[in-house]
Amino acid sequence: AQKVTQAQTEISVVEKEDVTLDCVYETRDTTYYLFWYKQPPSGELVFLIRRNSFDEQNEISGRYSWNFQKSTSSFNFTITASQVVDSAVYFCALSETGANSKLTFGKGITLSVRP
Amino acid sequence: GAVVSQHPSRVICKSGTSVKIECRSLDFQATTMFWYRQFPKQSLMLMATSNEGSKATYEQGVEKDKFLINHASLTLSTLTVTSAHPEDSSFYICSARLAGVFYEQYFGPGTRLTVT
Repeated sequence: AQKVTQAQTEISVVEKEDVTLDCVYETRDTTYYLFWYKQPPSGELVFLIRRNSFDEQNEISGRYSWNFQKSTSSFNFTITASQVVDSAVYFCALSETGANSKLTFGKGITLSVRP
Repeated sequence: GAVVSQHPSRVICKSGTSVKIECRSLDFQATTMFWYRQFPKQSLMLMATSNEGSKATYEQGVEKDKFLINHASLTLSTLTVTSAHPEDSSFYICSARLAGVFYEQYFGPGTRLTVT
């Protein structure tokens, strides 16, 4: 069975601070996909990134960066110079492959960025 | 591309009535659709997997007679909450998957159901 753990539940930072959201996963599969989603107060999930298990390269997209380390089964997400608009719930998720694959979500991290 | 819509976005119904939520893939054919439920300040929990033309597969603990799912076409799946009660009040989110692309789900905007 697969599992995603987001140990942090709520994080509060002041605008312009950097913040890292942690994600640890468990799976028996050798091929899998990891995701991060943002859920603003409106409720609609916003896709941020997908990473497959064979690609451990870190990724940077603007103020966002992701650190994937298979050795520690972690897929952490860093927001640099946070902004008030970054306030949302962030979910890490894991998917196996195959026709019966399902997406397993972590419990989510509520990020509050104060002006 | 890969847009999923849900209708309605919000619905209020009285206890004991039934309510139908539609999930549509607007620009692609979705052989598989998923229904999730999200209670306040909680994560998304998968309720069921819906394959076009066949019966839905429900997750453990989800009452299939209460949450009726129909996936009659490659672009439409419906979730009917029968005899709704206040405890069914929740945010319901659907997602759709392209045929053969097993790792990607496209999410709808969600439907907020309030049962009074």
